[in-house]
Amino acid sequence: GENVEQHPSTLSVQEGDSAVIKCTYSDSASNYFPWYKQELGKGPQLIIDIRSNVGEKKDQRIAVTLNKTAKHFSLHITETQPEDSAVYFCAAVGLGAGGTSYGKLTFGQGTILTVHP
Amino acid sequence: GAVVSQHPSWVICKSGTSVKIECRSLDFQATTMFWYRQFPKQSLMLMATSNEGSKATYEQGVEKDKFLINHASLTLSTLTVTSAHPEDSSFYICSARQGGGVNQPQHFGDGTRLSIL
Repeated sequence: GENVEQHPSTLSVQEGDSAVIKCTYSDSASNYFPWYKQELGKGPQLIIDIRSNVGEKKDQRIAVTLNKTAKHFSLHITETQPEDSAVYFCAAVGLGAGGTSYGKLTFGQGTILTVHP
Repeated sequence: GAVVSQHPSWVICKSGTSVKIECRSLDFQATTMFWYRQFPKQSLMLMATSNEGSKATYEQGVEKDKFLINHASLTLSTLTVTSAHPEDSSFYICSARQGGGVNQPQHFGDGTRLSIL
């Protein structure tokens, strides 16, 4: 099935700096890659997603890049603010035919982002 | 848009009690919903996939008689933890997939914190 690795596990930045979180995946058939932000005591919130027919997608201060050849994708947050502090999860939908991950989200291990004022 | 409501948000009950958790998609229909379990400082672990009008599909190691899932309508799925014991204490989160394709966005509820005494 699909396996997603996420780095770093913790990331500390100063307000205004950029933050980058990287993920790799194993299922070459996967073509949908969402990113979620989870605040303490809440469920994950979808912040941006990308499909394999594009290499980059941007939404205001957030951008995601995808390299299908290398099977990795990254989240970029610019001009970070204290309210960006949270746990961020990358995920991939397994699409390998007959695989146990088919149609299911496989999450990375999460990155705790702390933005210092 | 794409709001998922989960209820209750917090449950404390005695060992041996059965607990029902509801997951509702408020502004879209969801043929498929998912139930996850999350331990402190860990990623989300998929427990089961719930399809409207059919039996749920459970992940390996998840006891289907322990965690009963019902998905009777396109906007409601329920998870019942039967005869709960302290080891069942956890954060349970549901998600609803928007649209019919397997690579469509999943939107999450805010979770249910279950504490068994």
